[in-house]
Amino acid sequence: SAVISQKPSRDICQRGTSLTIQCQVDSQVTMMFWYRQQPGQSLTLIATANQGSEATYESGFVIDKFPISRPNLTFSTLTVSNMSPEDSSIYLCSVPKDGVTGLYGYTFGSGTRLTVV
Amino acid sequence: AQSVSQHNHHVILSEAASLELGCNYSYGGTVNLFWYVQYPGQHLQLLLKYFSGDPLVKGIKGFEAEFIKSKFSFNLRKPSVQWSDTAEYFCAFGSSNTGKLIFGQGTTLQVKP
Repeated sequence: SAVISQKPSRDICQRGTSLTIQCQVDSQVTMMFWYRQQPGQSLTLIATANQGSEATYESGFVIDKFPISRPNLTFSTLTVSNMSPEDSSIYLCSVPKDGVTGLYGYTFGSGTRLTVV
Repeated sequence: AQSVSQHNHHVILSEAASLELGCNYSYGGTVNLFWYVQYPGQHLQLLLKYFSGDPLVKGIKGFEAEFIKSKFSFNLRKPSVQWSDTAEYFCAFGSSNTGKLIFGQGTTLQVKP
C-alpha cells in the first residue's frame, strides 16, 4: 500500500500568517483527503483533493481559508490561511490503500502539529 | 448525510472488566467499517476493519467487532481490558462510492489498574 511523506511535522506560527502542508505519496492515487484533529477531538474531514480540478470541501470548510492544490496524482498541499489560535490542530492527509475506494483501508500521513500563537 | 455516532464519550473501567463501545453509522450504501485507536501522544492505529463476509471481525490486541447491518451498528468489544488499553477509540466508515472516510466523535477509555 501507499506510503505518505507529510511535512512539516510541526510548526509554530504567528497569527495572521499562512502555513502550507505537503503530502507526497509514493504511488499514484485518485483520491486524497485532508483532515483536521483539534485538541481532544476526533478527525474531521476538511476536503477531498481532486487532481485537475478544485477540491471538494466539507460543510464548514471553505477554499479561502484552506486552499488545496493537487497538481498530480502523487502530491497535494493544504494551506491554512490567515491563521488564528483556533487553527491550532493536527492536520493529516490520507489516501485509500487501493487509491480509489478505500476497500482495503486507508494510509495516513504522520501529521502536522500546528500551533498558532 | 453520512455520519458516524459513538454512544459513549468517556468510559472508565477497572482492569479485567469487559468492554463494549457502541458505533452506529448513517449511510444507505455499501460501507467499509473501521475501528482505530490513538494512544496518548501517538498516531492513529488500525484495530480492525470490516469489508464483507463474516460480520464478526477480530483485530489486534484481543479486540473484536460485530457488524449488524439491520441496526447500522459496528460495536467494538474486548472481554478483558488492560491498563494499557487506555486510549481514544474512533469508529469510522468509508464509502466505496466516494472513497471518503468519516470518523465518529471518539470514545475516551480509561482503564484503572
